[in-house]
Amino acid sequence: GENVEQHPSTLSVQEGDSAVIKCTYSDSASNYFPWYKQELGKRPQLIIDIRSNVGEKKDQRIAVTLNKTAKHFSLHITETQPEDSAVYFCAAEGNFTTDSWGKLQFGAGTQVVVTP
Amino acid sequence: GAVVSQHPSWVICKSGTSVKIECRSLDFQATTMFWYRQFPKQSLMLMATSNEGSKATYEQGVEKDKFLINHASLTLSTLTVTSAHPEDSSFYICSASFKFDTEAFFGQGTRLTVV
Repeated sequence: GENVEQHPSTLSVQEGDSAVIKCTYSDSASNYFPWYKQELGKRPQLIIDIRSNVGEKKDQRIAVTLNKTAKHFSLHITETQPEDSAVYFCAAEGNFTTDSWGKLQFGAGTQVVVTP
Repeated sequence: GAVVSQHPSWVICKSGTSVKIECRSLDFQATTMFWYRQFPKQSLMLMATSNEGSKATYEQGVEKDKFLINHASLTLSTLTVTSAHPEDSSFYICSASFKFDTEAFFGQGTRLTVV
């Protein structure tokens, strides 16, 4: 099955600086890669996602890049703000040819702390 | 976005009792829903796939007789934790999506504490 690794586990940045979180996946059949932000005790919220036919996607201060050959994808947050502090999870979902279709395999999470 | 509602938000139960958690898609029909468990400071782990009108499929290591899943309609899936023990204390979250390869919408989660 799919295995997703995420690094770093914690990330401290100064307000205004950039934050980068990296994930690798094992199943080359995976083709959907969402990123979630989760605040303590709350549900995960989708912040951006990318599909395997796209190499990069950007939404204001957030961008995701995908390298299918190397099987890794990254989240980039620019101009970080204190409200960006949360736990971020990457995930991967298999395509319709696999038993993982529809199932999200999550990375271990990254605790991001943005200090003013 | 679509709304998935989970109930209750938190529950405390005694060891040996059973607890039912409901997951509803409020504004769309979900033939498939997913149940996850999250321990403190850990990631979400998929427990099972809930299929409307058929049996749930469980991930390896998840006891199907302990975590009973029923998907009675296109908008409701329930997870029953049977004979709960303190080690079952966790955050349980469901999700659903319009179709695969698209955004998954999560319920607000249920904090289960077994005492």
